[in-house]
Amino acid sequence: ILNVEQSPQSLHVQEGDSTNFTCSFPSSNFYALHWYRWETAKSPEALFVMTLNGDEKKKGRISATLNTKEGYSYLYIKGSQPEDSATYLCAFYNNAGNMLTFGGGTRLMVKP
Amino acid sequence: SQTIHQWPATLVQPVGSPLSLECTVEGTSNPNLYWYRQAAGRGLQLLFYSVGIGQISSEVPQNLSASRPQDRQFILSSKKLLLSDSGFYLCAWTLGGGYTQYFGPGTRLTVL
Repeated sequence: ILNVEQSPQSLHVQEGDSTNFTCSFPSSNFYALHWYRWETAKSPEALFVMTLNGDEKKKGRISATLNTKEGYSYLYIKGSQPEDSATYLCAFYNNAGNMLTFGGGTRLMVKP
Repeated sequence: SQTIHQWPATLVQPVGSPLSLECTVEGTSNPNLYWYRQAAGRGLQLLFYSVGIGQISSEVPQNLSASRPQDRQFILSSKKLLLSDSGFYLCAWTLGGGYTQYFGPGTRLTVL
């Protein structure tokens, strides 16, 4: 069983704050790490796919980094806005199968 | 472009009743298909995946079953629902060899 953990489980920030959260995953047999954004009553939407150690990806105010040797990824949101409120999921893909293993998610709530 | 459909969007069923949730994908061939569930307060749990017609792998033993009668159709079933089957069910697809999963709109199931 692959262990993918996210912290914190939930986070409340004020509009304009910058924030970050963590995804930890097994460092062996690494193939890819995904970040998804999941808004209530909608389906998860892929944000980033990262495959190389040291990868950094950016999409607007959201960015992510990857450390495959130590098995973690950070997601950063700069200047949080209420529309950033969602659950952010990371998912680990190893080189042994066809499946993503999801973390429990970080639920972000941005107060106006 | 590819689209994924799920129905129904919401469902309220009594304990002991049968279940059938359907997922179809358009605009692609030979997708890998997945069923996930999110129970209240929990993360995404992979239930079943399929790499081809009639090929189903089960990740979690339970009273649910899945079938893939056609290339782009994936069905989740139960003969007798339990209270613990309540949750949000998501279907996802990916191209064989690819690892980014694309999710359907989901079905909210409440078992009373």
